[in-house]
Amino acid sequence: AQSVTQLGSHVSVSEGALVLLRCNYSSSVPPYLFWYVQYPNQGLQLLLKYTTGATLVKGINGFEAEFKKSETSFHLTKPSAHMSDAAEYFCAVTHASGGSYIPTFGRGTSLIVHP
Amino acid sequence: ETGVTQTPRHLVMGMTNKKSLKCEQHLGHNAMYWYKQSAKKPLELMFVYSLEERVENNSVPSRFSPECPNSSHLFLHLHTLQPEDSALYLCASSQHDRGGEAFFGQGTRLTVV
Repeated sequence: AQSVTQLGSHVSVSEGALVLLRCNYSSSVPPYLFWYVQYPNQGLQLLLKYTTGATLVKGINGFEAEFKKSETSFHLTKPSAHMSDAAEYFCAVTHASGGSYIPTFGRGTSLIVHP
Repeated sequence: ETGVTQTPRHLVMGMTNKKSLKCEQHLGHNAMYWYKQSAKKPLELMFVYSLEERVENNSVPSRFSPECPNSSHLFLHLHTLQPEDSALYLCASSQHDRGGEAFFGQGTRLTVV
């Protein structure tokens, strides 16, 4: 079985500060990993994904994440937070079920950005 | 525009009503999902359809009934709901492989009174 753990339900940063959102996964096979963002009353939008190849993945809005197999981690970072980054962030891993690959999500981390 | 459209965006229904949520995707994907998102709870996978066949049903109460008439459309039929069923219901679609990310609709905010 595969699972995802997001450490910290809330992360608070000042505008211009580094953003670090943590995600650890558990998987019996090489994982495919994703980060999604959700703004209030909206669906989830893909930020970035790791499948194979380069372990440092760049996404939209200046975010990036690094796949570290030895640490079973896929933390999301952004060098400088902007007020518009305030949202809910979800880490996900796909798992196989009946021949399909179904995304399993973490509980989410709410990013708060202070002026 | 995400390519996945959900209607209605908001729905208020009584516990004795019957209503349906609709989801349509224009991305050519062959897997579709229903998720429930409640306050203070993680995303809950409700139903998965792959190639128009249901492949997963995570012990969802029978008052929720899915229907997938073709690869582009997904419905969630609701009847005799409870107040605790009030939540944001999200539809998503993806391509049938591990690397295919899920594309989400904007959700239906359901309130049961």
